[in-house]
Amino acid sequence: GENVEQHPSTLSVQEGDSAVIKCTYSDSASNYFPWYKQELGKRPQLIIDIRSNVGEKKDQRIAVTLNKTAKHFSLHITETQPEDSAVYFCAASSGGGADGLTFGKGTHLIIQP
Amino acid sequence: KAGVTQTPRYLIKTRGQQVTLSCSPISGHRSVSWYQQTPGQGLQFLFEYFSETQRNKGNFPGRFSGRQFSNSRSEMNVSTLELGDSALYLCASSLQHPSEQFFGPGTRLTVL
Repeated sequence: GENVEQHPSTLSVQEGDSAVIKCTYSDSASNYFPWYKQELGKRPQLIIDIRSNVGEKKDQRIAVTLNKTAKHFSLHITETQPEDSAVYFCAASSGGGADGLTFGKGTHLIIQP
Repeated sequence: KAGVTQTPRYLIKTRGQQVTLSCSPISGHRSVSWYQQTPGQGLQFLFEYFSETQRNKGNFPGRFSGRQFSNSRSEMNVSTLELGDSALYLCASSLQHPSEQFFGPGTRLTVL
């Protein structure tokens, strides 16, 4: 089955700086890669996603890049703000027409004032 | 549209008991997936249902089972509870594959 590795497990950055979180996946058939943000005590919420036919996607301060050959994808957050502090999860959904996400272990992003 | 709802929100059981959790997806969503979230293992996929059929299954023992009804509502059942089953159980619904999965608030299960 699919295996998703996520690094780092904790990331501390100064407010206003950029943050980068990286994930690798094992199943070359995976075709959908979402990123979720989970604040303490709340449910995961999608912040951005990318499909396997696209190399990069951007939404304001957030961008995701996908390298299918190397089987890795990354989340980039620019101009970080205190409200960006949360746990971020990457995930991969394999092909075959069925849902069911394999998640990375999560990155605790800490924005230092 | 109302979001994904889960009941109950909190549950305390003892070892050996069984439990049933319920999930109501967003109206019109036919896919429901279940996940277990623990501090040590993170978010792990349990199973996914679409039009009352289990389409996909994670690597969990047979004590974990589920079903989906004709109105897309889903239940998951855990039999012979173990201490290690203590976790937050999240369900998520989606409109089509692959697309955004919307998560419910979760059911916090504590096994004593």
